[in-house]
Amino acid sequence: DQQVKQNSPSLSVQEGRISILNCDYTNSMFDYFLWYKKYPAEGPTFLISISSIKDKNEDGRFTVFLNKSAKHLSLHIVPSQPGDSAVYFCAASSLYNFNKFYFGSGTKLNVKP
Amino acid sequence: NAGVTQTPKFQVLKTGQSMTLQCAQDMNHEYMSWYRQDPGMGLRLIHYSVGAGITDQGEVPNGYNVSRSTTEDFPLRLLSAAPSQTSVYFCASSYEGGSNTGELFFGEGSRLTVL
Repeated sequence: DQQVKQNSPSLSVQEGRISILNCDYTNSMFDYFLWYKKYPAEGPTFLISISSIKDKNEDGRFTVFLNKSAKHLSLHIVPSQPGDSAVYFCAASSLYNFNKFYFGSGTKLNVKP
Repeated sequence: NAGVTQTPKFQVLKTGQSMTLQCAQDMNHEYMSWYRQDPGMGLRLIHYSVGAGITDQGEVPNGYNVSRSTTEDFPLRLLSAAPSQTSVYFCASSYEGGSNTGELFFGEGSRLTVL
């Protein structure tokens, strides 16, 4: 059973608007969360992370929100750009064993010009 | 700086054949890992290593072997390939500390087809 779930396989937004990608997890031991971006035929690349001591982390156009009680995190991209079109994976781990990452199934974002 | 290098990028095997996927990193990272990516499943951890001589199992270790004799290299061996091992394989490395603890640096992937 997947411990990290991304229930939206795809998302389409207009350039300049906000993109919101969602992720849910079931394991209450997870305390570190990351988002990765993946282009076709390339490996995933790190985007942004958040630890469970925070509920928000911001890096330029990217903001990750964490709701521990709901076991839910989201990635906001504002404003969205066509170059943001990619597959986004969320991942979770425990700081006691941060080498074991559990990934969601990914959300394919399409930003239309 | 090459980062994480995987070879081969593409491979076709017949059921029962064996092969090794190579992974090398030049960032002196202590931690290395192998993931497989399947449609609708995301990336799943196969095996990982916290340093030379130390390996451990991930979520889906069956059918795969690993060893870590040097910091740089972490090969993944398929002893007897099965069609269920058709997938895209990613090697990753990481290090403790820094601003993004545990951030994974991925290779470009190796696409394996088992007929």
